[in-house]
Amino acid sequence: KAGVTQTPRYLIKTRGQQVTLSCSPISGHRSVSWYQQTPGQGLQFLFEYFSETQRNKGNFPGRFSGRQFSNSRSEMNVSTLELGDSALYLCASSLGGVTNEQYFGPGTRLTVT
Amino acid sequence: QQQVKQSPQSLIVQKGGIPIINCAYENTAFDYFPWYQQFPGKGPALLIAIRPDVSEKKEGRFTISFNKSAKQFSLHIMDSQPGDSATYFCAASISNFGNEKLTFGTGTRLTIIP
Repeated sequence: KAGVTQTPRYLIKTRGQQVTLSCSPISGHRSVSWYQQTPGQGLQFLFEYFSETQRNKGNFPGRFSGRQFSNSRSEMNVSTLELGDSALYLCASSLGGVTNEQYFGPGTRLTVT
Repeated sequence: QQQVKQSPQSLIVQKGGIPIINCAYENTAFDYFPWYQQFPGKGPALLIAIRPDVSEKKEGRFTISFNKSAKQFSLHIMDSQPGDSATYFCAASISNFGNEKLTFGTGTRLTIIP
């Protein structure tokens, strides 16, 4: 079974621009979560989608948003990029029940200049 | 508020030794405790997980010990190998339907020297 895939793997953007990252979960997984990983703040939860609905949201500004499609693929968008948004953005998928076993993709490395 | 505290920040162990990484949590509602292994340039990989109804779980060379009263859990790696050199993260969550949020520790950079 294929793992979680994320595209693109690397991205360089300029302050003020917006960016869209994509995540394809493991086949059969209906929940997709997004995390931001930085050296200073570690791994922080952004939000989680299940059946096209956002079920949970972390403590990030409204510039960070996401959505999920009927095939469970998910996108996250960051508008008005700031230098501090430079990070590894990780997507994780799970069945979405009570097992909580989440499997991560390789991440998208975003650099904001 | 850091809800999962992980130590040490870095650890160097000789091949064959048993590195031990510790985590402590604050939220007594947490009932699922996974460990992840991350290599440079890769996403975290689920290694092993435990729930509070057991005090120990083994999978291969990896063992989780869990102390519910102390609100602590730890990862032991038996017969460690240079290939185990990676960053390890503990995490915790509340396993009710509709909550997938993992709260992570700050990570431990483990180096196994030959």
